[in-house]
Amino acid sequence: AQSVTQLGSHVSVSEGALVLLRCNYSSSVPPYLFWYVQYPNQGLQLLLKYTSAATLVKGINGFEAEFKKSETSFHLTKPSAHMSDAAEYFCAVSDPGYALNFGKGTSLLVTP
Amino acid sequence: SQTIHQWPATLVQPVGSPLSLECTVEGTSNPNLYWYRQAAGRGLQLLFYSVGIGQISSEVPQNLSASRPQDRQFILSSKKLLLSDSGFYLCAAFSGRNTEAFFGQGTRLTVV
Repeated sequence: AQSVTQLGSHVSVSEGALVLLRCNYSSSVPPYLFWYVQYPNQGLQLLLKYTSAATLVKGINGFEAEFKKSETSFHLTKPSAHMSDAAEYFCAVSDPGYALNFGKGTSLLVTP
Repeated sequence: SQTIHQWPATLVQPVGSPLSLECTVEGTSNPNLYWYRQAAGRGLQLLFYSVGIGQISSEVPQNLSASRPQDRQFILSSKKLLLSDSGFYLCAAFSGRNTEAFFGQGTRLTVV
């Protein structure tokens, strides 16, 4: 089965600093990978997705992620954190059976 | 794009009472539909998914059941709620491995 592991359940950065949220995947087939963001008491919103085209994927709100097959990673980055980026972030992988499997999430805290 | 309607937004139910959460989808036909539960610190747990009317796959044994009486309707039920059923329930629609999953706004269930 396809799965993802998010390293770090909580990440804290200063406003204006680099954001790096880590995601490693395990997949027996070419993976389709996603990053979602969740604000309190809301559903999930897609940030970006990798579907075997360009390995560097740009998403909304200035986020991007790079697919690295050699490292089985799909880390999410943003050059400069904003207070509004504080939220829960989920990495996900889809499998051939169309299940969408999520990591446990990383809570991003942005401090002034 | 797709819109996922999920209700109610919040629900407080006594132990032993029944449950029915409804999810309807607009903007697509024949989607794969999912019920997830989100508990603090545990990420998103896939409960059920459906690839078509009357087709339900259960990911974990539990006190809950799901049904799909119509193409764009997905219902989560329980005959007798347990305290451990408390959590944030999310409905999602997903139309293919390389496409975005759309989420409802979630239902906060508290079993007392």
